[in-house]
Amino acid sequence: SQTIHQWPATLVQPVGSPLSLECTVEGTSNPNLYWYRQAAGRGLQLLFYSIGIDQISSEVPQNLSASRPQDRQFILSSKKLLLSDSGFYLCAWSPTGFNQPQHFGDGTRLSIL
Amino acid sequence: AQSVAQPEDQVNVAEGNPLTVKCTYSVSGNPYLFWYVQYPNRGLQFLLKYITGDNLVKGSYGFEAEFNKSQTSFHLKKPSALVSDSALYFCAVRDTYTGGFKTIFGAGTRLFVKA
Repeated sequence: SQTIHQWPATLVQPVGSPLSLECTVEGTSNPNLYWYRQAAGRGLQLLFYSIGIDQISSEVPQNLSASRPQDRQFILSSKKLLLSDSGFYLCAWSPTGFNQPQHFGDGTRLSIL
Repeated sequence: AQSVAQPEDQVNVAEGNPLTVKCTYSVSGNPYLFWYVQYPNRGLQFLLKYITGDNLVKGSYGFEAEFNKSQTSFHLKKPSALVSDSALYFCAVRDTYTGGFKTIFGAGTRLFVKA
């Protein structure tokens, strides 16, 4: 069966520090991969999605970047964090196809001080 | 543009009563509709989907959803609510307009089930 791992679960970082959040998927190949941010336990904002290695689409211009160095690895990064980067970050994967749901990791709660 | 709307921020229901969480959508072409549930400090979990076929779709944990093409709705239902159903529920539609790689999520509806 397929599993998705996302870490760390919580992270407290000072303003201006770098960020690296990692997500890996097991049990499938060539998944679509996604990074979302959720503010205040409500709606999801799609940040990046990827349909293949080194194929990254950015949805919102911001202080973040994403990379996919391996088929089942998706990394969210920042060189200098802002206070506004605080939130709950969710990684997800889906098989290709319109009829396929997304499967989410358990998220990283990021607090910027 | 494709979109999905959840008109209720919060739904309150007593345990044992039926529950409905509403969702309406706007798409060009065939809709690919989904419901997800999120418990505190967790990721979203897939509940059910409508792709084609029967308008009543059954999913996990006793949930079902009714697809209504004329009303462009996809309401989530459960005949008898449990306290453990209290969570945040998201309706979603696959964004076929941009190739289907993305999913458009509603703003979410918080369900409170009172014992």
